[in-house]
Amino acid sequence: EPEVTQTPSHQVTQMGQEVILRCVPISNHLYFYWYRQILGQKVEFLVSFYNNEISEKSEIFDDQFSVERPDGSNFTLKIRSTKLEDSAMYFCASSPQTSSYNEQFFGPGTRLTVL
Amino acid sequence: KQEVTQIPAALSVPEGENLVLNCSFTDSAIYNLQWFRQDPGKGLTSLLLIQSSQREQTSGRLNASLDKSSGRSTLYIAASQPGDSATYLCAVRLTGGGNKLTFGTGTQLKVEL
Repeated sequence: EPEVTQTPSHQVTQMGQEVILRCVPISNHLYFYWYRQILGQKVEFLVSFYNNEISEKSEIFDDQFSVERPDGSNFTLKIRSTKLEDSAMYFCASSPQTSSYNEQFFGPGTRLTVL
Repeated sequence: KQEVTQIPAALSVPEGENLVLNCSFTDSAIYNLQWFRQDPGKGLTSLLLIQSSQREQTSGRLNASLDKSSGRSTLYIAASQPGDSATYLCAVRLTGGGNKLTFGTGTQLKVEL
């Protein structure tokens, strides 16, 4: 069964460093998302991406964040200058279409630790 | 702003018991509601998606119901097994709110032998 994959599974970085989290969505899906979950807290929406552009973003997704679909398969989240509070589990998700049936499928997550 | 709450926060039951997990949301203008399972340190596994026009959806031992007018959904698990132990999350997508999901706080379920 097709699934969303994410790399790396765990990333440790120093405060102020740039990180890129990578995702391979399910191949025939059209919508892509990033969510995050700080330890012990709710899963929070960051950004959605459709047709090679951001379709929606939350207030968390400030200028330090960017997303890209560099080729036909990968979807990346870049954090330009990491802060301690960026430590969280980051989930990539994808969904097949924008019409009524829009079930989102999530990857296993990347645990980001900022020291 | 949509708020999603799940009660109880934690639940422990003996194997074989039928159980109900609750999800409530403050804005009833939802497009759909999705139930997920999350194992410790792992990703989210989609269990059921229920559209706003539907009253319930079933998959195996799972049954999700939706009452939009009262802002509630329930996830019924029949004949619980130790392998069902996980955190269960509900998430809603608002009508006219793009595709983003707003997640609940989760119910941590433990099924004991």
